[in-house]
Amino acid sequence: DQQVKQNSPSLSVQEGRISILNCDYTNSMFDYFLWYKKYPAEGPTFLISISSIKDKNEDGRFTVFLNKSAKHLSLHIVPSQPGDSAVYFCAAKNSGAGSYQLTFGKGTKLSVIP
Amino acid sequence: DADVTQTPRNRITKTGKRIMLECSQTKGHDRMYWYRQDPGLGLQLIYYSFDVKDINKGEISDGYSVSRQAQAKFSLSLESAIPNQTALYFCATSRGGSNEQFFGPGTRLTVL
Repeated sequence: DQQVKQNSPSLSVQEGRISILNCDYTNSMFDYFLWYKKYPAEGPTFLISISSIKDKNEDGRFTVFLNKSAKHLSLHIVPSQPGDSAVYFCAAKNSGAGSYQLTFGKGTKLSVIP
Repeated sequence: DADVTQTPRNRITKTGKRIMLECSQTKGHDRMYWYRQDPGLGLQLIYYSFDVKDINKGEISDGYSVSRQAQAKFSLSLESAIPNQTALYFCATSRGGSNEQFFGPGTRLTVL
């Protein structure tokens, strides 16, 4: 059973507009969430994270929002740039359970159109 | 730059062959991981190691084995490769107490 779900396999956005990538989770024990970005032929690279004690974390053009009651998080990219075109993975962690395993979603492929 | 490297980057092999994928890191991290990614799917954890003497199975360890030769080296072996092990394999590292994992560039393995 998939514990981290990214229901949109792909998303296209015009350059300069906002990109919103969504992620849902089912395990209420998850308390830390990360977003990774992956270009073709490269490994995933860490983008931004959020702890369950917060509902928002911002880093430059990237903001992650967490709604614990809905078990939902989203990544906002404003403004979107062509270099943001990549696959974005949402990952979740239960820090209390040995703090080793990240559970990943299937990814959303973002295409930013110039 | 401190980095995570994987060799080979691409490998084609035949069913029944033994294959070893290697991972090295210069980040000084104590924890290392092996993940598998299938097309259209997220990353699944195969094995992880918290230090040289600590090896643990992940969610999909059947058909795989690992060796932590040193703090900086973590190898993944397929004892007898089968076609459904065709996938992208990623090594990752982290520092104990940190939530962030750093990934290598991946190895694309094809089993014919």
